[in-house]
Amino acid sequence: DVKVTQSSRYLVKRTGEKVFLECVQDMDHENMFWYRQDPGLGLRLIYFSYDVKMKEKGDIPEGYSVSREKKERFSLILESASTNQTSMYLCASSSLSGRENNEQFFGPGTRLTVL
Amino acid sequence: GEDVEQSLFLSVREGDSSVINCTYTDSSSTYLYWYKQEPGAGLQLLTYIFSNMDMKQDQRLTVLLNKKDKHLSLRIADTQTGDSAIYFCAESNTDKLIFGTGTRLQVFP
Repeated sequence: DVKVTQSSRYLVKRTGEKVFLECVQDMDHENMFWYRQDPGLGLRLIYFSYDVKMKEKGDIPEGYSVSREKKERFSLILESASTNQTSMYLCASSSLSGRENNEQFFGPGTRLTVL
Repeated sequence: GEDVEQSLFLSVREGDSSVINCTYTDSSSTYLYWYKQEPGAGLQLLTYIFSNMDMKQDQRLTVLLNKKDKHLSLRIADTQTGDSAIYFCAESNTDKLIFGTGTRLQVFP
């Protein structure tokens, strides 16, 4: 069974802390994505990566950075967490465009609360 | 830029049909998708349609695509309580997907 896993389901952090959210996929996918989900706003793309050590900004990259040292792992970093980063964070992966139907496979999400 | 819009809520009685609508702006979309998100879970692909099709049926699900009006709909026949979830419309013509805001479907007995 194909899988995307995220390191935590729930996380509570304090303002100013550095936060790491980890995502691992076992499908040998080239593409990996980080989204945040907020009520009434849907999913907004933070960062994505087409390959190891490669990253591209999405629609809302401010306050975030990412790391892709290995193909299967994509990390989202909040350098200095703020209360407006309280959200549900979703990781996804997909194979390269044109090979299949561009389907993205999602992890279960991490609900982050910043106090 | 590209935009995908959906209504936020839909409430239906068990056994009735549900129709969730979506409009998008990118005329070069290659694929259009419906994802389902159950409470406390990530998104799961429900069905998709290639842009050169106008209809796709899969058991209780019917997807209709009107390319001229850039309108996509998902019909769920005989809606069950287990269909209660958030449904996201999405479109792509590259590796990136553009998602709508999601429609929360509530099914009541």
